[in-house]
Amino acid sequence: GAVVSQHPSRVICKSGTSVKIECRSLDFQATTMFWYRQFPKKSLMLMATSNEGSKATYEQGVEKDKFLINHASLTLSTLTVTSAHPEDSSFYICSARDHPLLRPEAFFGQGTRLTVV
Amino acid sequence: RKEVEQDPGPFNVPEGATVAFNCTYSNSASQSFFWYRQDCRKEPKLLMSVYSSGNEDGRFTAQLNRASQYISLLIRDSKLSDSATYLCVVSNTGKLIFGQGTTLQVKP
Repeated sequence: GAVVSQHPSRVICKSGTSVKIECRSLDFQATTMFWYRQFPKKSLMLMATSNEGSKATYEQGVEKDKFLINHASLTLSTLTVTSAHPEDSSFYICSARDHPLLRPEAFFGQGTRLTVV
Repeated sequence: RKEVEQDPGPFNVPEGATVAFNCTYSNSASQSFFWYRQDCRKEPKLLMSVYSSGNEDGRFTAQLNRASQYISLLIRDSKLSDSATYLCVVSNTGKLIFGQGTTLQVKP
């Protein structure tokens, strides 16, 4: 199976600071990476889709200047939550996918639980 | 209307029961379909892909009806360890869209 590693698994930060979350595909090349946010007992909400070497496509209502996504290589994407506020506290999960014609399913990182105090 | 809709449940069933989950999707151009399982405070894990011909993996059977835009998951002989949230996932235009999940609680 494919392995996706997300780091850190848990972070607590002060209001106003920025937090970077990394997502790595360890044994395959991730043509596309997805970033999701999940509130307690709610479904995953897609924030943005990123393809290697190009700008991320953000979903409606997601502020691209607040949630900076970089997908610099086929194995690494990062999400930076800038000027974090308590309402940004959530569970952030990345997923990665190979070329859809080769393997259409996506594999998930372990998630990052962000708490902004 | 949500792109992917599921009954959130919860479904409370005894061990050994057969339980079925349904899911509908709105975009007829959707290309790929999956069921994922998510345990509390964990990431989703792929359970199985769903094909038009239907597919089975042990106690789990998934079916897709493109005409009705409907996906199902059948779990036979439920185990305590099957307790989780089951997420219906649809892929279109390169994005993976999740349903809100159906919670299953299997009781002894």
